[in-house]
Amino acid sequence: EPEVTQTPSHQVTQMGQEVILRCVPISNHLYFYWYRQILGQKVEFLVSFYNNEISEKSEIFDDQFSVERPDGSNFTLKIRSTKLEDSAMYFCASSEGGAASNEQFFGPGTRLTVL
Amino acid sequence: AQRVTQPEKLLSVFKGAPVELKCNYSYSGSPELFWYVQYSRQRLQLLLRHISRESIKGFTADLNKGETSFHLKKPFAQEEDSAMYYCALMESLMDTGRRALTFGSGTRLQVQP
Repeated sequence: EPEVTQTPSHQVTQMGQEVILRCVPISNHLYFYWYRQILGQKVEFLVSFYNNEISEKSEIFDDQFSVERPDGSNFTLKIRSTKLEDSAMYFCASSEGGAASNEQFFGPGTRLTVL
Repeated sequence: AQRVTQPEKLLSVFKGAPVELKCNYSYSGSPELFWYVQYSRQRLQLLLRHISRESIKGFTADLNKGETSFHLKKPFAQEEDSAMYYCALMESLMDTGRRALTFGSGTRLQVQP
């Protein structure tokens, strides 16, 4: 069964550094998402992406964040200058699209640790 | 703004006992409600959604619009049901077109032998 994959599984970085988190959504899916979960807190929506552009974003997704689909398979989340509070588990998800097919399939997550 | 509340952080039951994981929501329109489950060291996966009205792994959930609830129930818990359970809401696509999921804080279910 196809799955969403994410790399790396764990990323450690210094405050102020740029990080890129990578995701490969399920191949026939049209919508892509990033969520994050700070330790002990809720899973929070960051951004959704459709047709090569951001379709919605939350207040968390400020100018430090960007997303890209550089080719036909990868979907990336870039944090330009990491802060300590960016430490979290980042989940990528994808869905087919359409009102009857909006189940979101999640990747295993990337644990980001900012020192 | 929409909100999902799961009042219990931890629910511990014995094998064979009934389980009810509570979920309440606030949203002015007609939301779509989901239950996601995360077993130890595994990814979040969809357990069930209210529009499909299915029973998955013996679990059911009924959307009660009057009480704005979507509680998850199972009559006889099994040890393999031990996991983290998240209730999630999606706004009506017809109203807003938004697909973002709003999650509750999760309930850890522990089923003891």
